[in-house]
Amino acid sequence: DQQVKQNSPSLSVQEGRISILNCDYTNSMFDYFLWYKKYPAEGPTFLISISSIKDKNEDGRFTVFLNKSAKHLSLHIVPSQPGDSAVYFCAAIRDYKLSFGAGTTVTVRA
Amino acid sequence: NAGVTQTPKFRILKIGQSMTLQCTQDMNHNYMYWYRQDPGMGLKLIYYSVGAGITDKGEVPNGYNVSRSTTEDFPLRLELAAPSQTSVYFCASSPGSPGELFFGEGSRLTVL
Repeated sequence: DQQVKQNSPSLSVQEGRISILNCDYTNSMFDYFLWYKKYPAEGPTFLISISSIKDKNEDGRFTVFLNKSAKHLSLHIVPSQPGDSAVYFCAAIRDYKLSFGAGTTVTVRA
Repeated sequence: NAGVTQTPKFRILKIGQSMTLQCTQDMNHNYMYWYRQDPGMGLKLIYYSVGAGITDKGEVPNGYNVSRSTTEDFPLRLELAAPSQTSVYFCASSPGSPGELFFGEGSRLTVL
């Protein structure tokens, strides 16, 4: 029973444009939502998070939006850079346990 | 600047063999986790620990065991390896900040 879903396995975007990654969840009891970034042959690294009581959090080029009524969150990357090419995982936490989505592979084209 | 260290990075096992994946962190984090990632899938939680001496099952604990005798170490034991355990295993630790996990580089295990 997958509680966190990323329905787009891949995304290709031109350098300088906006990347928008989407994530849906089913458990309304999640406390926090997070995005992780993963390069090949490395472990995931934390990118940005948002509390379930907020609807937006911004950190430099990265902004996460949360729509609780729709059980949906998104990550915006503006502007996209070649170093952003990676797999992005959406995750949600309850009781210190994270549930992860399947990931979206982002490719930034020059 | 070690962070979370996993060994071995690669291992091939025969069906029925046993092995231990080692995980050590030097950040004095109380929370530690073991995840597995299968191709095209997200990370699935195997076991986790909220402190030395305390462990609990995650989503997919069958076929695995863990122990947490110290804050630093959280080994994952595979008994009677099966092809379904072919995966990449990630160990992670957390200071408790909601969801901010620090991951190791992963251990790729193949069971033939």
